[in-house]
Amino acid sequence: ETGVTQTPRHLVMGMTNKKSLKCEQHLGHNAMYWYKQSAKKPLELMFVYNFKEQTENNSVPSRFSPECPNSSHLFLHLHTLQPEDSALYLCASRGLAGGSYEQYFGPGTRLTVT
Amino acid sequence: AQSVTQLGSHVSVSEGALVLLRCNYSSSVPPYLFWYVQYPNQGLQLLLKYTSAATLVKGINGFEAEFKKSETSFHLTKPSAHMSDAAEYFCAVSDSRDDKIIFGKGTRLHILP
Repeated sequence: ETGVTQTPRHLVMGMTNKKSLKCEQHLGHNAMYWYKQSAKKPLELMFVYNFKEQTENNSVPSRFSPECPNSSHLFLHLHTLQPEDSALYLCASRGLAGGSYEQYFGPGTRLTVT
Repeated sequence: AQSVTQLGSHVSVSEGALVLLRCNYSSSVPPYLFWYVQYPNQGLQLLLKYTSAATLVKGINGFEAEFKKSETSFHLTKPSAHMSDAAEYFCAVSDSRDDKIIFGKGTRLHILP
């Protein structure tokens, strides 16, 4: 498999559930990102990891907990979410192409919190 | 600080007509500029990027964009729209020293038969 993959593609969870989103990149990149995409809002950067170290936490509520065990895998652990957390969650990795950096996106996980 | 403004959240063009999606940026350093496309239920796909080489950048699917420093613009064009071009388009800017990309709010392109 190539590129950036995300599982599951769709997730419905109650506010008291605990679930995890998974992202995997097969591109040999060292930086990975979580974004939130809500309807009628700009793409929101949530977390950045470089070489497995978190370098950015964009004031994300603690009910979202990222984990990056290695440069190829990124998780987003979810617990006690709110209905307003329903969104498309996109993972991306960053690598060099043609002398400059580019971000490569996965297909996203569509999350619905009920 | 860097920012991107996309003019028009929705643009409609007829099939075969010129596509023009507008993007203006703000950056205190020479920027890297990108256009991404997002089809329904998919992630973002890079269309093209500007990295201080040629000011006219050609991308995939017949799209191109021109970097105009004097106008701080990076508008996306395609000479003849196709039904398959219907999607949301995002302009983005980054500082080569930073690992973040700042995205615009997106423009949804509708193609009329």
